[in-house]
Amino acid sequence: AAGVIQSPRHLIKEKRETATLKCYPIPRHDTVYWYQQGPGQDPQFLISFYEKMQSDKGSIPDRFSAQQFSDYHSELNMSSLELGDSALYFCASSFQIQYEQFFGPGTRLTVL
Amino acid sequence: QKEVEQDPGPLSVPEGAIVSLNCTYSNSAFQYFMWYRQYSRKGPELLMYTYSSGNKEDGRFTAQVDKSSKYISLFIRDSQPSDSATYLCAMISGGGADGLTFGKGTHLIIQP
Repeated sequence: AAGVIQSPRHLIKEKRETATLKCYPIPRHDTVYWYQQGPGQDPQFLISFYEKMQSDKGSIPDRFSAQQFSDYHSELNMSSLELGDSALYFCASSFQIQYEQFFGPGTRLTVL
Repeated sequence: QKEVEQDPGPLSVPEGAIVSLNCTYSNSAFQYFMWYRQYSRKGPELLMYTYSSGNKEDGRFTAQVDKSSKYISLFIRDSQPSDSATYLCAMISGGGADGLTFGKGTHLIIQP
């Protein structure tokens, strides 16, 4: 079965640079969620989109923004990167705000 | 105090044993409860999904929810070395594309 696709899988950036993470949900899923997982931590919810509209917002820094496109893929844009932004970033998707969220493999971001 | 409490372990048991994993929570608005399995540096994999109080069984896994006690459990029967992973409980109140609230995760080790 098709799963959530995230790209890139690994990303290395310098402080103050920008990064863009991409997420392609499971086919027919219309809801996308972004999570950040620091080392040894549980995933923290950042933001979600349903039918291309922002739906819920968690602990997303103002330096980050995201959007969902007409084909339902989503991008997380991160600016003025800080060392503390180094983490695993997961995208999850669901069908019509059902509560079963399926996670992608993650993007490992390292900020030097 | 976190909304969801989970013993991080590690929990080490011999192969074939019954494993019991638990979470407590404080937010009475939570209605949907999930268990995810996460291998090191991989995305969380949805194992069980339950609504409100009660039991749900799927193969070797049984999930229990007691909303009156704000306590959820996951039981793994006939545990295998391949079950060694971190198990995260997650919950959500519902009503939109809400982000999941996770426990810290329990690191489980099944000894061959």
